[in-house]
Amino acid sequence: DAKTTQPTSMDCAEGRAANLPCNHSTISGNEYVYWYRQIHSQGPQYIIHGLKNNETNEMASLIITEDRKSSTLILPHATLRDTAVYYCIVISGNTPLVFGKGTRLSVIA
Amino acid sequence: EPEVTQTPSHQVTQMGQEVILRCVPISNHLYFYWYRQILGQKVEFLVSFYNNEISEKSEIFDDQFSVERPDGSNFTLKIRSTKLEDSAMYFCASSELVSLAPLTDTQYFGPGTRLTVL
Repeated sequence: DAKTTQPTSMDCAEGRAANLPCNHSTISGNEYVYWYRQIHSQGPQYIIHGLKNNETNEMASLIITEDRKSSTLILPHATLRDTAVYYCIVISGNTPLVFGKGTRLSVIA
Repeated sequence: EPEVTQTPSHQVTQMGQEVILRCVPISNHLYFYWYRQILGQKVEFLVSFYNNEISEKSEIFDDQFSVERPDGSNFTLKIRSTKLEDSAMYFCASSELVSLAPLTDTQYFGPGTRLTVL
């Protein structure tokens, strides 16, 4: 079973920031927080990952709380093409990814 | 930008037939995976492969399934005798393996093969 909890769905207005929360209260010290998304039935697309510090790349920002029990993925200016299912996954080493149901983000014009 | 590729994009087969799904991982990657997603359900892990042997497999990966790296570029998943319930999207993924556990390497996914068993 997935070790994370995410809301089932969220809406976001186009051009606004989308903030997707994730709870991972049982995360262990060597586990990373990874975010992927899946658009329709395409292959999961890697977005960003982090261990303790906040991270930013060209796609998104990842904010991890100090106790590491939760995190937030931020899409700073959501577009219609960001409509997808977003998965928060905790993992260490090269173990398999365990996908939950994720959050279905709908970006609305 | 390097990417994982998969062929075919869609495969239709009759129940009981053998199918081979093909993947070309990113060229300098050393760890390979197969996942599947039945329509409307979660993405599920099938098997991981490293150094020419299976590293880990799930309960789904029974004797009907096998994986192979026949040459330096391809990674294949064979289903020996397909069943109706094998109908799903099959995703290949690869990672670079620059980090030793507990550090982790990012898995990159291909676009998938839609397998339809009639």
